[in-house]
Amino acid sequence: GESVGLHLPTLSVQEGDNSIINCAYSNSASDYFIWYKQESGKGPQFIIDIRSNMDKRQGQRVTVLLNKTVKHLSLQIAATQPGDSAVYFCAENLGAQKLVFGQGTRLTINP
Amino acid sequence: EAGVTQSPTHLIKTRGQQATLRCSPISGHTSVYWYQQALGLGLQFLLWYDEGEERNRGNFPPRFSGRQFPNYSSELNVNALELEDSALYLCASSFVGPLRANVLTFGAGSRLTVL
Repeated sequence: GESVGLHLPTLSVQEGDNSIINCAYSNSASDYFIWYKQESGKGPQFIIDIRSNMDKRQGQRVTVLLNKTVKHLSLQIAATQPGDSAVYFCAENLGAQKLVFGQGTRLTINP
Repeated sequence: EAGVTQSPTHLIKTRGQQATLRCSPISGHTSVYWYQQALGLGLQFLLWYDEGEERNRGNFPPRFSGRQFPNYSSELNVNALELEDSALYLCASSFVGPLRANVLTFGAGSRLTVL
């Protein structure tokens, strides 16, 4: 079936620490994955993407890791800041321009 | 450059009524997507339009329908509203090309409340 899920629905970290948000996907044929960030009252915002022919991709303070063997995706945020507080979604491309989103993980930052 | 715009921001209807939501994509984007986000849940894919045609549809009943106009803007119609249709409806647009075809840019959403 088509499902993208997250191991933890909430994550609380100290400001300045690194955050790791995990995601499991079920379709081994998926070739493209995206992480989105959704702040309160706003639509999801693109953070970073990765294609299935890569294991790792880095952006500004964010890194996405893809483990196709266990169908696992993670988003690492370095030096977490208050502005990082949001719900984070991973999304899996099932083809025909259809992205399937996970339930989301709420990231909260402790001062 | 203007982002994806949606209207109305909020809409309150009663059971059995019809709701119409509107979306204007980013200039140059030919694809429009609709997602439903119920409270506390993830985004559920509703519809994909490209070049005026419905290209893909999610697992929703036929009372969810829409269309895309020649200027690439789009409408989502929900007929015979039910209480469980209450949700945030998100529109996104993209340019369907060979690279990063699925990088969707989302609007802020339309909050539909069914009483």
